[in-house]
Amino acid sequence: ETGVTQSPTHLIKTRGQQVTLRCSSQSGHNTVSWYQQALGQGPQFIFQYYREEENGRGNFPPRFSGLQFPNYSSELNVNALELDDSALYLCASSWGTSGGAAGELFFGEGSRLTVL
Amino acid sequence: DQQVKQNSPSLSVQEGRISILNCDYTNSMFDYFLWYKKYPAEGPTFLISISSIKDKNEDGRFTVFLNKSAKHLSLHIVPSQPGDSAVYFCAATLSGSARQLTFGSGTQLTVLP
Repeated sequence: ETGVTQSPTHLIKTRGQQVTLRCSSQSGHNTVSWYQQALGQGPQFIFQYYREEENGRGNFPPRFSGLQFPNYSSELNVNALELDDSALYLCASSWGTSGGAAGELFFGEGSRLTVL
Repeated sequence: DQQVKQNSPSLSVQEGRISILNCDYTNSMFDYFLWYKKYPAEGPTFLISISSIKDKNEDGRFTVFLNKSAKHLSLHIVPSQPGDSAVYFCAATLSGSARQLTFGSGTQLTVLP
């Protein structure tokens, strides 16, 4: 069974640039969620994708956007990067969007983004 | 506005003793609570959860207690082991959005040998 994998693991961008982060969900999972974890904070929910559609969004501006592909992998895109976007971006996969034990959310190791 | 709060950024405990990690929440609509553990350079991993209709859930060395009237939950680890040293996050979900977690800011637990 393949776990959640994210790429790249680290990257550095400058303010105003755009970035794309990628996530491969765990085998058998059809839902992908993205979280932003700033230094010293807990992860914050960005959005969730289920069957290629956005299914819930946190308090993030529209310059944060995403995609889910037919194989359930996903991308997170951030435009017009700001210094405060520097964070660890975590992808999590699951089966379905509700019901059952809510703990069945499997996280990748994250992509560390630094904006200079 | 932080709906899930972990007011202790760090906790040190001697090996073999009990570790108690605390979490408070403000949203009475939360219906499921979870604890995640995170090691450096790894993603968070699920540890234990509790439904809002229960007041206790136990899994081996880990027990979570929920006090709904106080909007407070705690994680007890007995006995604590050096391998338990990690950041522990408390998280909560709203009914109907089980995969959308609201996390606290975490507590760094250090278990001293």
